[in-house]
Amino acid sequence: DIRMTQSPSSLSASVGDRVTLTCRASQDISNSLAWYQQKPGKAPKCLIYAASRLESGVPSRFSGSGSGTDYTLTISRLQPEDFATYYCQQYYYNAVTFGQGTKLEIK
Amino acid sequence: VHLMQSGTELKKPGESLRISCKASGYSFTSFWITWVRQLPGKGLEWMGTSDPTDSYTMYSPSFQGHVTISTDKTINTAFLEWDSLQASDTAMYFCARRSDRHLDSWGQGTLIVVSS
Repeated sequence: DIRMTQSPSSLSASVGDRVTLTCRASQDISNSLAWYQQKPGKAPKCLIYAASRLESGVPSRFSGSGSGTDYTLTISRLQPEDFATYYCQQYYYNAVTFGQGTKLEIK
Repeated sequence: VHLMQSGTELKKPGESLRISCKASGYSFTSFWITWVRQLPGKGLEWMGTSDPTDSYTMYSPSFQGHVTISTDKTINTAFLEWDSLQASDTAMYFCARRSDRHLDSWGQGTLIVVSS
């Protein structure tokens, strides 16, 4: 299985900040990567797929980049509704795997 | 696109259970359905993915043999089933539509509590 490692595990930031979350795969996944946002008690929501493609309806302050084994999710100007847990997921193989999550908290 | 999951279940160890995920707003047979487990306070785990056309299913080795995933295209519904629940199955379970191999739409989740 491909192991996905997210960093940091948690992050404190303020409204208006720019933040970058990182996801590293244990092998090259050729941009087969998605990012999900999950709020407490809710289902995950896809933000980014194919490493950098914005899912329909997702605000443009979210962006994804990366290649090979290293990927990032950037939120350009944090809004109050962005405080949540973020997961990356590789789908290079049918046996998909998720990262352990990054919890984004209000400072 | 909407995935509506069945409601919260409180079960005893050893009992059987089938939960459902009804799809609407799109062609059910055009997209595979994935099930994801989330243990209390933990992250997301892929359980398996099924093709509604013929119910062909790929399972995670972690769940193979412990759950059964199926689909019924006549009623646009996917199922996740246990023959014998364990306390360790207590979790939230999500179904999701697989589009371009990522999960673009999710059900609201079904909470299963297994306790004697």
